[in-house]
Amino acid sequence: DAKTTQPPSMDCAEGRAANLPCNHSTISGNEYVYWYRQIHSQGPQYIIHGLKNNETNEMASLIITEDRKSSTLILPHATLRDTAVYYCIVRVANDYKLSFGAGTTVTVRA
Amino acid sequence: EPEVTQTPSHQVTQMGQEVILRCVPISNHLYFYWYRQILGQKVEFLVSFYNNEISEKSEIFDDQFSVERPDGSNFTLKIRSTKLEDSAMYFCASSEESHYGYTFGSGTRLTVV
Repeated sequence: DAKTTQPPSMDCAEGRAANLPCNHSTISGNEYVYWYRQIHSQGPQYIIHGLKNNETNEMASLIITEDRKSSTLILPHATLRDTAVYYCIVRVANDYKLSFGAGTTVTVRA
Repeated sequence: EPEVTQTPSHQVTQMGQEVILRCVPISNHLYFYWYRQILGQKVEFLVSFYNNEISEKSEIFDDQFSVERPDGSNFTLKIRSTKLEDSAMYFCASSEESHYGYTFGSGTRLTVV
């Protein structure tokens, strides 16, 4: 019952911006978009979330299209430590469950 | 930065034995969760806990599993009679509000032999 589609893998260069796409064409009006990452079997790490407006924090920016059917996570200056699996997840606020898919394996290369 | 602490980091147990995995969530968080990840597979939701009761559970969370918040700081997952297929990384998480981002612990690797 995957609600999001992400590319299985992508490479990016150290120091450059990494733009991670996510499609969620069936998203409903009360569903948030969340991004998490998992570095080599460590616990998932929360990055950012948003409902309809673009969001930015110290880790990343989240750009959500006006129709909300897709979003992009931007890591502004990728470092080798950003190599991880990135998960895009949609869920309603009062749904306690996060449904993790396969995510995008991002490899940052020197 | 506040952390979710899980102990032990690795536990080996014999099939059929009971195990208790322990977690200390972030102190001002109100929502608590357990997830698991079998090696090479996706992270799977097990259970959520709020206001001293289970708020949601998955099909995986059958009668062999239970959760408890025995005091004001610990949150435990008990597996009554472990099976080989329970071998996995178990992650505890907590959040201040249900729609906020979750903070995950570093996990307990459970190996059932």
